[in-house]
Amino acid sequence: DSGVTQTPKHLITATGQRVTLRCSPRSGDLSVYWYQQSLDQGLQFLIQYYNGEERAKGNILERFSAQQFPDLHSELNLSSLELGDSALYFCASSSAGTSLNEQFFGPGTRLTVL
Amino acid sequence: QQPVQSPQAVILREGEDAVINCSSSKALYSVHWYRQKHGEAPIFLMILLKGGEQKGHDKISASFNEKKQQSSLYLTASQLSYSGTYFCGTDATSSNTGKLIFGQGTTLQVKP
Repeated sequence: DSGVTQTPKHLITATGQRVTLRCSPRSGDLSVYWYQQSLDQGLQFLIQYYNGEERAKGNILERFSAQQFPDLHSELNLSSLELGDSALYFCASSSAGTSLNEQFFGPGTRLTVL
Repeated sequence: QQPVQSPQAVILREGEDAVINCSSSKALYSVHWYRQKHGEAPIFLMILLKGGEQKGHDKISASFNEKKQQSSLYLTASQLSYSGTYFCGTDATSSNTGKLIFGQGTTLQVKP
């Protein structure tokens, strides 16, 4: 158990819908990362927040947005869902916001878009 | 740019050794190694930093050749529990972020 929690574990929805994935970092960690993992793409970095501020962005679609709240939990919002958005979404956290620190991954949310 | 891992897959018997490589076309500031079992979260193994510092598990060893922009993960006396997919994640920007670009993964299967 990494100490990072994600809810829900599974999510099944239809195309065109909007969903929200939630992540709580390890106690004391200030940085949160979101990754997408689909079968043919490996682990794709989406976005990083550090202490409430966006720190880095990957190839995150405009239909996706995220934020980190004052209590440091983070939410990833996915809208106008398409079949290709089906994937495992991981949240990770680290104590600081640089690549000098290990990242601890949550158990993931499996999103299925029908 | 995505780092390239080799081999793509390897099958071992318990007790055998393996080396997994991670190569980048860009100068690297750090290399992370993670292991993931099917359907589970990636687990941190090791960080190698430009300048030679390493952080990670005692039973895992790795190297980082800054001139070649390459890192290698050494798995010795493999155990069944070593099975999984190994990913390297690289930072080639030194932009003071935690953004990592991950390789495509190397699948390791250890048989009894």
